[in-house]
Amino acid sequence: KQEVTQIPAALSVPEGENLVLNCSFTDSAIYNLQWFRQDPGKGLTSLLLIQSSQREQTSGRLNASLDKSSGRSTLYIAASQPGDSATYLCAVPPNAGGTSYGKLTFGQGTILTVHP
Amino acid sequence: DTAVSQTPKYLVTQMGNDKSIKCEQNLGHDTMYWYKQDSKKFLKIMFSYNNKELIINETVPNRFSPKSPDKAHLNLHINSLELGDSAVYFCASSSRLVSSYEQYFGPGTRLTVT
Repeated sequence: KQEVTQIPAALSVPEGENLVLNCSFTDSAIYNLQWFRQDPGKGLTSLLLIQSSQREQTSGRLNASLDKSSGRSTLYIAASQPGDSATYLCAVPPNAGGTSYGKLTFGQGTILTVHP
Repeated sequence: DTAVSQTPKYLVTQMGNDKSIKCEQNLGHDTMYWYKQDSKKFLKIMFSYNNKELIINETVPNRFSPKSPDKAHLNLHINSLELGDSAVYFCASSSRLVSSYEQYFGPGTRLTVT
């Protein structure tokens, strides 16, 4: 059974810092890895999706890396801003064919606070 | 233009009642999902439909019955509501061709059972 762990559970940084969020998974047979952001009382916003054959993806100040063999992914946020404050979640589906690709297993999230 | 929408946003009801939540997506996706986020913020998949066919059915009480009238809509009906059903329910959608299975989520429906 896939288990996804995110460290740290919470992080508070001053504005402008570069930071790294960690995600680990126990079963390396994944189809892809997706990072989401959730603002309080809101839904999830997809940030980045890394296919299992890829090593990293970038979008603006965000860079996500994937090391499938070691079961780890990191989300790097450059020059953090107060608007980045949110809960960040990673999720993986199994690479078991067909309908399994949508069966996401989520980590418990990292609560990020960026203070001015 | 809302990509994945859910109604209602909030739902407060008493134990024993029956209620429905509706979801619609305008992304052209062919797969839709229901997730439950509990009080500890843990997200877990409940159901998934692909082109109106149920393809994922996790260990969920049979008081929960999803229904997909077409590939743009997915509803969730809950019978005989219990206190433990209180949670935020999220709908999501994806497509192999359109989004490489990247999932897009709705804003959630906060269900409170009293």
